[in-house]
Amino acid sequence: KAGVTQTPRYLIKTRGQQVTLSCSPISGHRSVSWYQQTPGQGLQFLFEYFSETQRNKGNFPGRFSGRQFSNSRSEMNVSTLELGDSALYLCASSLYSSGANVLTFGAGSRLTVL
Amino acid sequence: GENVEQHPSTLSVQEGDSAVIKCTYSDSASNYFPWYKQELGKRPQLIIDIRSNVGEKKDQRIAVTLNKTAKHFSLHITETQPEDSAVYFCAASITGGGADGLTFGKGTHLIIQP
Repeated sequence: KAGVTQTPRYLIKTRGQQVTLSCSPISGHRSVSWYQQTPGQGLQFLFEYFSETQRNKGNFPGRFSGRQFSNSRSEMNVSTLELGDSALYLCASSLYSSGANVLTFGAGSRLTVL
Repeated sequence: GENVEQHPSTLSVQEGDSAVIKCTYSDSASNYFPWYKQELGKRPQLIIDIRSNVGEKKDQRIAVTLNKTAKHFSLHITETQPEDSAVYFCAASITGGGADGLTFGKGTHLIIQP
């Protein structure tokens, strides 16, 4: 069974540009969430999607957006990049059954903003 | 929103000794508490989780305890081995890891000394 796949794995952008990251969840998983990981702030929740609907968003500016497609694949977009957006962006998928909802993470997309 | 504090930030123990990592959470509505292990350059992986209706859970050398009244939970690793060296993150969620995602602690770097 394939795991959570994120593309691209590494990318370098310059300030002011925009970036789109992709996440393919485990087959059958309908919930996809995104996290930003930095040395200073740790792992921070960006947003969560279920059945193409964003159900919640973390404390990030509107430059951070996302969407989920009918096949549960998800993309996140960051516009007008800033140096502080350099981070590892992790996607996690889950089956979302009742009770504990185990999140499985992808390997991440490492974004460097110059 | 939920806030999770994790201590210590770094923990060094002799191989074979036990390690304990502690977390506190702020939202009494939180009902799901997973622990993730992240090795250098790799994705976070779930090692154990506990729901709010359970006080303790064990899986071989790993155990987690939850005190809902005090709003804290702890990870216990016994008979530590070199492969236990990693960063450990605790997390909490009010939707069982669903729509609100996970709120993570800042992480504990566990170092196993030979």
